[in-house]
Parts: sequence; structure tokens; C-alpha cells
Amino acid sequence: ELKVEQNPLFLSMQEGKNYTIYCNYSTTSDRLYWYRQDPGKSLESLFVLLSNGAVKQEGRLMASLDTKARLSTLHITAAVHDLSATYFCAVDNAGGTSYGKLTFGQGTILTVHP
Amino acid sequence: EPEVTQTPSHQVTQMGQEVILRCVPISNHLYFYWYRQILGQKVEFLVSFYNNEISEKSEIFDDQFSVERPDGSNFTLKIRSTKLEDSAMYFCASSEGLYNSPLHFGNGTRLTVT
Repeated sequence: ELKVEQNPLFLSMQEGKNYTIYCNYSTTSDRLYWYRQDPGKSLESLFVLLSNGAVKQEGRLMASLDTKARLSTLHITAAVHDLSATYFCAVDNAGGTSYGKLTFGQGTILTVHP
Repeated sequence: EPEVTQTPSHQVTQMGQEVILRCVPISNHLYFYWYRQILGQKVEFLVSFYNNEISEKSEIFDDQFSVERPDGSNFTLKIRSTKLEDSAMYFCASSEGLYNSPLHFGNGTRLTVT
């Protein structure tokens, strides 16, 4: 059974600081996703990481994937209040050529303080 | 930007009743999904649907659940006899089904079973 573990689960940051969220998973997969969820809202796609060594950046967020270590990171640079949300990593566990059977991590609740 | 739409946003039902949750996926997408999120817990995969049939389903998706694409635009999740533990946020998602395409989630239907 695929397990996806995130840490930390709660992250309180000051504006302007940097931090990293970690996502470990237990079985081989070459598709990993990061999503953002605001309270009471849907899941917004941030990144799709497809291969070992993949790195993607969007604004103050940068995600990377190490398939050998089964580890993905989401790095936050110079945090701002607007980044406060819950961040989920999800690993695609679909069989064959189908996609989208995602196993989600527990989520990391990020709060950015002034 | 095209989006996945779900109705209703909130559904309250009594235990034992049947409910139908409705979704309109993004029009050129080929894969459709249902996920659920019990309050404060992980997002969990229920079922994926492609070419008018179920591609994969989880252990949660037992005989009480069914999915249907009754016409060219709607995708529905039916729960035949709701239980208290079915109370959750149900998210519909769709995807182009390409290797690098993310799942696009709707805003969810909050189902409350009393």
C-alpha cells in the first residue's frame, strides 16, 4: 500500500523567511503533484513533477523530486501572507496507462505571520 | 479559464437516503474522478472513469456507490443508502489524461448525513 507522509504538518512562518516542506512516499512512482487548498475551497494545482531531478518554480514556490530517495520538497522563499494555506503532495498510484489515482499526504497547514 | 463545476455546494440528507452529487468536468477532458475529504483528514481517492467505464476504484467505493456519465457533459456520483460516515466533502476532478496533466478539481459538495 502506498503511503505518503508530509512534514511538518503545521508550519508557522514569519514573512520574509524561507522554509521547506517535505514529502516522502513509500513505493516507486514517477508522478508527483503539489496542490494548495485554502480553507473551505477546492484544490489548486501547483506543480506536476514527472522525473528524477525535476525542479519547477512558480513565484516564491519551488518544488523538486528525487525518485531514488522517494522524496519531494516544496521550498518557500521570502514568505508572504498570501501563501497561508494547506499544501498537499500527492503521488499517482494508477496502474498501466491510466492516471489520476492519487494518494495524498496529510497536508501541511502553513500560516505566515507579519 | 475552464473549470470543473459541482452542484449542489451543500447537501444535507438523512441516513439511509439516496443522494446524487453532480459534476460538469472541463469539456475536452477525458478522465473523471471522485475524491472525498472527511473534515480534517486526508483527501482520498474514490474512483476514476474513462471511456464510459470505471478505470480504478478504491476500497471505499463499495456497492453503495456508483458513477454515471448520463450525457455528454455531466458526471454523477450516487450513494444509495447514506451512512453517517459518508459525511464529507466530495470533490469531482477531471484531467486530459496526458502523462503530464494535473487533475483539475471542482469546489466540492459538502455532504452532511444526519
